[in-house]
Amino acid sequence: EDQVTQSPEALRLQEGESSSLNCSYTVSGLRGLFWYRQDPGKGPEFLFTLYSAGEEKEKERLKATLTKKESFLHITAPKPEDSATYLCAYLSGYALNFGKGTSLLVTP
Amino acid sequence: GAGVSQSPSNKVTEKGKDVELRCDPISGHTALYWYRQSLGQGLEFLIYFQGNSAPDKSGLPSDRFSAERTGGSVSTLTIQRTQQEDSAVYLCASSSRAGGDVGGGELFFGEGSRLTVL
Repeated sequence: EDQVTQSPEALRLQEGESSSLNCSYTVSGLRGLFWYRQDPGKGPEFLFTLYSAGEEKEKERLKATLTKKESFLHITAPKPEDSATYLCAYLSGYALNFGKGTSLLVTP
Repeated sequence: GAGVSQSPSNKVTEKGKDVELRCDPISGHTALYWYRQSLGQGLEFLIYFQGNSAPDKSGLPSDRFSAERTGGSVSTLTIQRTQQEDSAVYLCASSSRAGGDVGGGELFFGEGSRLTVL
């Protein structure tokens, strides 16, 4: 059965303390691995799409990478405004299937 | 409008009542999705529209749930005879790319309609 599993469920970092979020996947015929950010009370916001192992994408303090079994979202020198839930997802049929997310809290 | 608009933002109803949730997608977006997000649960896919047609309704949890889309634009999700387990945030998303297409995973979400069934 195709699925993505995200870890950890929750992560607390001090401002400036770099870390990585993990999304391990078992998906046959992967048609893209997607990362979204969700702030409380809001809908998810698209961050990145990765299509093949070895691919990397960057945006500000975030860098997403993809291997044949997992994807990482690296956060470098995070700021409090990076606090959010980060979701990974894959295409299944017409729609995205999402993981349960990692809730990130960055404290000053 | 500039983004996906959903209404109402909050709805409290009594068990057994019917509710309608509305989604106004980004202008020109032909693909429209409904998802549900319950406390502690992930995003659960409900239904996908391409234009006015719904090629994938596989996520609708029961026949109490239905959705339609008119004019290739506004969509309404209807829940009949609501139950307490229907309490959740219902999220709508739209895209300029057809579902399942390469690049079709970049969805634009609304802020959701929070449904509470007493």
